[in-house]
Amino acid sequence: GQQVMQIPQYQHVQEGEDFTTYCNSSTTLSNIQWYKQRPGGHPVFLIQLVKSGEVKKQKRLTFQFGEAKKNSSLHITATQTTDVGTYFCAGLNTGNQFYFGTGTSLTVIP
Amino acid sequence: NAGVTQTPKFRILKIGQSMTLQCTQDMNHNYMYWYRQDPGMGLKLIYYSVGAGITDKGEVPNGYNVSRSTTEDFPLRLELAAPSQTSVYFCASSYPYGIGYTFGSGTRLTVV
Repeated sequence: GQQVMQIPQYQHVQEGEDFTTYCNSSTTLSNIQWYKQRPGGHPVFLIQLVKSGEVKKQKRLTFQFGEAKKNSSLHITATQTTDVGTYFCAGLNTGNQFYFGTGTSLTVIP
Repeated sequence: NAGVTQTPKFRILKIGQSMTLQCTQDMNHNYMYWYRQDPGMGLKLIYYSVGAGITDKGEVPNGYNVSRSTTEDFPLRLELAAPSQTSVYFCASSYPYGIGYTFGSGTRLTVV
């Protein structure tokens, strides 16, 4: 069945350091979405990637979709304490629903 | 604009009891979903619906039931609650292949 794996599961960084989380699928995805969930909160949509090799930026966040459309990454430049939370990718294959990755929990140490 | 509203926010159930988790959205989204999230884990799809009168199973449907009589409402029914159903339940909605799901604030359920 569909599997979407994320690494690392946890990441602790000093404020100002960069952070990257990787998302890998066992099958080709038609698109991929990224979400952020603050501690105790609900997932909030960040961005959607559709095209092979697509790169999108939101301020300090850079999102990339792999050429083979089986992997994706989220990179945060110069982390801030407001970046704390769990980042999930969600991949859509040929079905009607997205399969969520296992998430990467980011802790930023001031 | 309320988005996706879930009730209740918290609930404690005894083993064997039943309950319905309510979910309502006011964005006229066709697609609605129920996920559960166990501590430190990702989101697992329980059931989803692509429109009123249409529902389908997700990854972990056992022990749950859903109905979709209107576009706005998508209640999740737990019959004979078990400790394994202790989790946080999120309802979400979207347009078909739309730009991102909108999630509700969740229901934290404990079965004792």
